Amino acid sequence: AQSVTQLDSHVSVSEGTPVLLRCNYSSSYSPSLFWYVQHPNKGLQLLLKYTSAATLVKGINGFEAEFKKSETSFHLTKPSAHMSDAAEYFCVVSEGSGGSNYKLTFGKGTLLTVNP
Amino acid sequence: DTGVSQDPRHKITKRGQNVTFRCDPISEHNRLYWYRQTLGQGPEFLTYFQNEAQLEKSRLLSDRFSAERPKGSFSTLEIQRTEQGDSAMYLCASGSGPYGYTFGSGTRLTVV
Repeated sequence: AQSVTQLDSHVSVSEGTPVLLRCNYSSSYSPSLFWYVQHPNKGLQLLLKYTSAATLVKGINGFEAEFKKSETSFHLTKPSAHMSDAAEYFCVVSEGSGGSNYKLTFGKGTLLTVNP
Repeated sequence: DTGVSQDPRHKITKRGQNVTFRCDPISEHNRLYWYRQTLGQGPEFLTYFQNEAQLEKSRLLSDRFSAERPKGSFSTLEIQRTEQGDSAMYLCASGSGPYGYTFGSGTRLTVV
């Protein structure tokens, strides 16, 4: 069975400072991993995805994430936060071809607050 | 490609009433998923279709819930005898392979 743990329910940063949102996963198979962002009253938007190619994945809006199999982690980072980054972020795992139906399992989310 | 469409965007219903939501996936996508998201939580998997076949249902999907995808195109999710605990955002997503998922904007259900 697959699962995701987002280690922080709320992260607060100042504008222009680095962002780190932490995620650990559990999977019986080689996982695909995703980060989604959800702005208030908006739909889910894909930030980036890891699909067993390069372990450092670059996404939209300056975000990137590194897949570390030994640590079962997929932390999301950004060098410099912008006010528009304030949103809920979800780490997501899919077990792909070895698992069941490619369904996505979401973490509980991390609320990112960016202070001016 | 017009994305995944969900209708209605909002639904307010009285407890005990039946409601039905519709999802129109991206036309070439053969996979379709329904998720439920409650306040402060991540989306939870409800059910999955590949073409017209419903291949997996979560235990969250009680017998009051039913989903269909006739002809492998649009999908409907019906909730019978709604309860206040059914209040949530219902999300639909479609995909064509293991890595491509597109989510709709969701239907927000409020049961009063």
